[in-house]
Amino acid sequence: GAVVSQHPSWVICKSGTSVKIECRSLDFQATTMFWYRQFPKQSLMLMATSNEGSKATYEQGVEKDKFLINHASLTLSTLTVTSAHPEDSSFYICSAFGQKDGYTFGSGTRLTVV
Amino acid sequence: GDSVTQMEGPVTLSEEAFLTINCTYTATGYPSLFWYVQYPGEGLQLLLKATKADDKGSNKGFEATYRKETTSFHLEKGSVQVSDSAVYFCALSVNNAGNMLTFGGGTRLMVKP
Repeated sequence: GAVVSQHPSWVICKSGTSVKIECRSLDFQATTMFWYRQFPKQSLMLMATSNEGSKATYEQGVEKDKFLINHASLTLSTLTVTSAHPEDSSFYICSAFGQKDGYTFGSGTRLTVV
Repeated sequence: GDSVTQMEGPVTLSEEAFLTINCTYTATGYPSLFWYVQYPGEGLQLLLKATKADDKGSNKGFEATYRKETTSFHLEKGSVQVSDSAVYFCALSVNNAGNMLTFGGGTRLMVKP
């Protein structure tokens, strides 16, 4: 089946620094990729939807200048958390949509900002 | 707008017990319905899905039937195992063509030996 590789799986960074998370579809082309944020014991909150070669569409309340999304190819999307602060600590999950297999999720990235 | 409501957890069962996790939805279009499972510290894995009314999705002993008349997609398993302990999410997508997934709040299942 389809596989989505997301890394790093966990990262610890200092306040004020930026962190980049990668999401790759390994064996299929993803027409659309999604980025979610999940707080402990809560559901997934959609942050943004990205299509290859175009600007991401952000959900209401998500700061696009803080959470930079780049979808440079049909197999790669990146989320950069800029000037991270402790309140950005969370579990981030990407999902890629392919025509054959539908939605496939990455394994998630746990970000801790200290 | 679209929404998914599922029963709150945690649900605690003994091994080999029968499982039901309720899920109901509202949608502006004709949705596809999904159940995902999340193990601790991991992403989501598709458990099963159904794309039209009366379809039954099944996988690993789990099953759910798309009931348009009651707008429901309840998850069931006849005999749970300790390894089924996880968080289960019900979700929908209108058109299932790369549109966003709308998730329920998740239900944590704990199975005791």
